[in-house]
Amino acid sequence: GNSVTQMEGPVTLSEEAFLTINCTYTATGYPSLFWYVQYPGEGLQLLLKATKADDKGSNKGFEATYRKETTSFHLEKGSVQVSDSAVYFCALRSMEYGNKLVFGAGTILRVKS
Amino acid sequence: NAGVTQTPKFQVLKTGQSMTLQCAQDMNHEYMSWYRQDPGMGLRLIHYSVGAGITDQGEVPNGYNVSRSTTEDFPLRLLSAAPSQTSVYFCASSYGEMNTEAFFGQGTRLTVV
Repeated sequence: GNSVTQMEGPVTLSEEAFLTINCTYTATGYPSLFWYVQYPGEGLQLLLKATKADDKGSNKGFEATYRKETTSFHLEKGSVQVSDSAVYFCALRSMEYGNKLVFGAGTILRVKS
Repeated sequence: NAGVTQTPKFQVLKTGQSMTLQCAQDMNHEYMSWYRQDPGMGLRLIHYSVGAGITDQGEVPNGYNVSRSTTEDFPLRLLSAAPSQTSVYFCASSYGEMNTEAFFGQGTRLTVV
């Protein structure tokens, strides 16, 4: 079945550092790929998405590129802020898997001032 | 716009008790689902529904029941609570297409003692 693997955290960075959170996936068919973010005490919200190979999703300075050849969707940000501290989830949906949203384990990001 | 509303936010149950977690959405989404979130395991799908009158099992359905009598509501029933069901529960809704965003409720933190 479909699955998502994320790098383990927590990831601790200083403000203005460069961020990469790795995500790889296994899926049948051609999935859509997502990054969701969960701030403390809240539900998940969509950060960005990409729906086909070589698409780049971007939002709030975060970017991720859908790489079919390496089955990856790594999240990057050039300069993190304390307010980016949250849990980040990589996820996918595919028609062949009933459009169920499948999540990775999540990566905790802590940004120090 | 209320989005996805979950109640209650917190609940403590004794082993063997039953209860219903409520979920309602006002976006006319066909697709609704329940997840549980446990440390280091991401979000795991419990049950989902692709429309009123249609439900199906996810990854971890044992001990839970669902029904979908209307488009708006998707309650999750714990039949006989066990300590292993201590978790944070999230309801989500979306349109049925694989490239669409899922909207999440704020979560219910359940403790079974």
